[in-house]
Amino acid sequence: GESVGLHLPTLSVQEGDNSIINCAYSNSASDYFIWYKQESGKGPQFIIDIRSNMDKRQGQRVTVLLNKTVKHLSLQIAATQPGDSAVYFCAENIGGYNKLIFGAGTRLAVHP
Amino acid sequence: DVKVTQSSRYLVKRTGEKVFLECVQDMDHENMFWYRQDPGLGLRLIYFSYDVKMKEKGDIPEGYSVSREKKERFSLILESASTNQTSMYLCASSFGQGRTDTQYFGPGTRLTVL
Repeated sequence: GESVGLHLPTLSVQEGDNSIINCAYSNSASDYFIWYKQESGKGPQFIIDIRSNMDKRQGQRVTVLLNKTVKHLSLQIAATQPGDSAVYFCAENIGGYNKLIFGAGTRLAVHP
Repeated sequence: DVKVTQSSRYLVKRTGEKVFLECVQDMDHENMFWYRQDPGLGLRLIYFSYDVKMKEKGDIPEGYSVSREKKERFSLILESASTNQTSMYLCASSFGQGRTDTQYFGPGTRLTVL
């Protein structure tokens, strides 16, 4: 079946660097995408979302880019901090009752 | 802020026991969801509900049932717990009524079945 996936299972960065986490999706009809952050022992926390009529959306230190041509989604974190260390999931809305499909997750490790 | 709470953070049960996991949200959301999360498999949808007394199967409903008697509360039931149901269980909620919107998650319940 169609699913959301991630390119890299683990990403290590130095504190202060920018981080980029990638996600590929396969359902061309998906119209809404979300990035979640999950810290150890906690539930996923909403970071930022983007609808399919947009290419880019910015939040505080985070930017999500959507490339519908190649079905690619990315999360950029500026000036990565130790508190950004977590697992990041992308999720895709496949319509109907707001059901989401989640990727397996990418672990971001920030080193001082 | 949206708040989704789950009745227990950690739970240990024995094989064959009936297990109830409770979830409550305070944002008047129509949709509620139960997921399980296992290493390397991500979040998998067990059941969801789009209204009181309404429920729909997700991707892995076998061995589970749900109950939604009130809008704010969604219960996951393991009729006869088995060791392969040891997992992290996450509840989420979102607005419904045709809106495509964010799901907000609770802190999770880590269930161990011995």
